[in-house]
Amino acid sequence: GDSVTQMEGPVTLSEEAFLTINCTYTATGYPSLFWYVQYPGEGLQLLLKATKADDKGSNKGFEATYRKETTSFHLEKGSVQVSDSAVYFCALSGTGANNLFFGTGTRLTVIP
Amino acid sequence: DAGVIQSPRHEVTEMGQEVTLRCKPISGHNSLFWYRQTMMRGLELLIYFNNNVPIDDSGMPEDRFSAKMPNASFSTLKIQPSEPRDSAVYFCASSLTRASFGTEAFFGQGTRLTVV
Repeated sequence: GDSVTQMEGPVTLSEEAFLTINCTYTATGYPSLFWYVQYPGEGLQLLLKATKADDKGSNKGFEATYRKETTSFHLEKGSVQVSDSAVYFCALSGTGANNLFFGTGTRLTVIP
Repeated sequence: DAGVIQSPRHEVTEMGQEVTLRCKPISGHNSLFWYRQTMMRGLELLIYFNNNVPIDDSGMPEDRFSAKMPNASFSTLKIQPSEPRDSAVYFCASSLTRASFGTEAFFGQGTRLTVV
């Protein structure tokens, strides 16, 4: 079945460091891929998405490219800020499917 | 739109009591999801509905849990009887599902349930 595997956390970085959180997926067909972010005490909110191969989703300095050949959707940011501290979830939705599969989440802490 | 609205935000109850969590999805959305989040197990999908019909409830932990969606603007998740291990944050999410591409879900703020 469809599934998402993402990098185990927690991840601790200094401010302005480069961030990568790995995400790989297993799916039939051509899924849509998402990154969600959860700030402390809040629900998940969509950070970025890509709906087809080679698409790049971007938002708030974060980027992820849909790589069909490696079945990956790694999240990157060139220079993290303290305010980026949160839990990040990779997610997948199959074409025409109603369901949404989440990874286990990666907790990021950015220290000044 | 106000987004997905969940109530209550916090619930503390005694073991054995019935608990009902409520969700109002975004108007016009045709899919609704209930998730449970704990430190140990992360984010777990409990059940999802499409057009008010339960599609997959395989994530519902046991018979103590039940979910309903009587109409497009309201859903409930009920736990009866509640147990301490049910303590978690429960999220409701809704989406507009189209055949051509996948689902983007919008989450509520969650209900933090504590069973003592």
